[in-house]
Amino acid sequence: DAKTTQPPSMDCAEGRAANLPCNHSTISGNEYVYWYRQIHSQGPQYIIHGLKNNETNEMASLIITEDRKSSTLILPHATLRDTAVYYCIVRSVMDTGRRALTFGSGTRLQVQP
Amino acid sequence: ETGVTQTPRHLVMGMTNKKSLKCEQHLGHNAMYWYKQSAKKPLELMFVYNFKEQTENNSVPSRFSPECPNSSHLFLHLHTLQPEDSALYLCASSQDGNYGYTFGSGTRLTVV
Repeated sequence: DAKTTQPPSMDCAEGRAANLPCNHSTISGNEYVYWYRQIHSQGPQYIIHGLKNNETNEMASLIITEDRKSSTLILPHATLRDTAVYYCIVRSVMDTGRRALTFGSGTRLQVQP
Repeated sequence: ETGVTQTPRHLVMGMTNKKSLKCEQHLGHNAMYWYKQSAKKPLELMFVYNFKEQTENNSVPSRFSPECPNSSHLFLHLHTLQPEDSALYLCASSQDGNYGYTFGSGTRLTVV
């Protein structure tokens, strides 16, 4: 799997958009970008994933650059409950059913009141 | 509640004890996983089961023994653990190993 680089920590004011960056410069054509988050002492939660088009769901938006070497997860109106560690994971569709998801250190997002 | 239930939520055990962690999912998924998360460390994959067959063992010591009797249940049997095995043990499930991993809330294990 391609390696990802995320800042170790970020702060965001409550009610503002949280933009979490991820670099994946060695990503290959069949690799998806996934985002999960882990609220303190809970299991990780799937947020969103994408290949090359921007994606949006009820939780967040995922913006992938045209060259696919980086992406940004956007939480449009951050709340205190969004305080968590956010993991950006790159994974090949070929790994489905063969290799399990692996997690790095992620970005610790602290939403400030 | 995520659809993946882990019991117990907390467990304290001595180094000579034998205990088991249980994971149950009724999401119709066919793959289940055990992860370990030590304090301030990333999640570490331990075991993978696809269709009840173990497909991955990530160099886990034999004092951890997984069991998957059917596609809905996964156990982690523990014996003669060490204090450094104290961690949050997380179970997850997915369909065909796809992106939608669903995690349980974990078992917080303390070995004394």
